[in-house]
Amino acid sequence: EPEVTQTPSHQVTQMGQEVILRCVPISNHLYFYWYRQILGQKVEFLVSFYNNEISEKSEIFDDQFSVERPDGSNFTLKIRSTKLEDSAMYFCASSGGQGEDIQYFGAGTRLSVL
Amino acid sequence: RKEVEQDPGPFNVPEGATVAFNCTYSNSASQSFFWYRQDCRKEPKLLMSVYSSGNEDGRFTAQLNRASQYISLLIRDSKLSDSATYLCVVGNTGGFKTIFGAGTRLFVKA
Repeated sequence: EPEVTQTPSHQVTQMGQEVILRCVPISNHLYFYWYRQILGQKVEFLVSFYNNEISEKSEIFDDQFSVERPDGSNFTLKIRSTKLEDSAMYFCASSGGQGEDIQYFGAGTRLSVL
Repeated sequence: RKEVEQDPGPFNVPEGATVAFNCTYSNSASQSFFWYRQDCRKEPKLLMSVYSSGNEDGRFTAQLNRASQYISLLIRDSKLSDSATYLCVVGNTGGFKTIFGAGTRLFVKA
């Protein structure tokens, strides 16, 4: 069964450092998403991406965040200067689009900012 | 009003019980509706999509009432393996922005 793959599974970084979280969406999917979930809290939408551009973003997704699809398979989330409050689980998801809007999630990257 | 609001839970039920989850959403323009389940420290996994006509998948039945902006999930004959957090998820037009409810935790006990 096709799946969304995320790496690394756990990322530890120092406050102020840049991190890049990587995702390989399901190969024929067209829509890509990033979410975060702070421990014990709900899943929060960050950004959606389609046709090589951001479709929508939440108020959480400020100038410290960026997304990129550098090649035909990877979809990345960059946090430029991490803060303690960025510590969370980050989930990538993809959907087929064109009427197929079910999102399939990766296993997540746990980001710990020290 | 929260964009997607769910019963706070937790629900503690014995095996074999029927349990119902409720969810309301605030954006009347929402177009897509789902129930996901999330096990502890795992990713959300789709349980079922929700349609106005209602849909059923084995022991699970989902209903959507657009007029009331209300979504429900019914689980019949609960199993121990149903223990999880159930997430109500609502998408806007085109599905570009998806909002998750806070989830309702279910504990099924032997």
